[in-house]
Amino acid sequence: NAGVTQTPKFQVLKTGQSMTLQCAQDMNHEYMSWYRQDPGMGLRLIHYSVGAGITDQGEVPNGYNVSRSTTEDFPLRLLSAAPSQTSVYFCASSYSWGSYYGYTFGSGTRLTVV
Amino acid sequence: KNEVEQSPQNLTAQEGEFITINCSYSVGISALHWLQQHPGGGIVSLFMLSSGKKKHGRLIATINIQEKHSSLHITASHPRDSAVYICAVSLDGGSQGNLIFGKGTKLSVKP
Repeated sequence: NAGVTQTPKFQVLKTGQSMTLQCAQDMNHEYMSWYRQDPGMGLRLIHYSVGAGITDQGEVPNGYNVSRSTTEDFPLRLLSAAPSQTSVYFCASSYSWGSYYGYTFGSGTRLTVV
Repeated sequence: KNEVEQSPQNLTAQEGEFITINCSYSVGISALHWLQQHPGGGIVSLFMLSSGKKKHGRLIATINIQEKHSSLHITASHPRDSAVYICAVSLDGGSQGNLIFGKGTKLSVKP
């Protein structure tokens, strides 16, 4: 099925461990982005990409790295996990059609850092 | 600072009621989006607005650019409408991939 695929759905990490959250889309969307969702707060942008080879920081980039080597994939790397990174992470891709653009979200990754 | 404010935070309605969720923003925007997040966590895009009004089924979204305000209306509400509704804006001159979100309105529709 076409869409945005995030893996894993759940993950528990120990403080200091590293891991990569995977995000893949098969819709040939140029734009991809990563958000985190914490209780009582709106989703916040971590990093985004406007195309292969181009990435930029969002509102809360510290502790996370991204790369975009292909149009399809946009992995998010946690370099040294901290309890403050416990959150639900969403990947999204977006397309434009004239002046309209829409978003497709992945199903989320629930990460707990202990 | 909260650039996108939603009200109410929580809303309980009886089936069949007309529902309004409000969104106000304080920045220049190129577009405003309404999203729906189901209890299972998945997020679905409902509308993108840059002016006027859009309708899809029982959902209606309006935006007033001068007043920096948008509303999402649900007519003849149903328990399956229970979800968190999120307003998000794309900043004027910003990248398409860069959204600023409100905290969401949790809607519960009772049968």
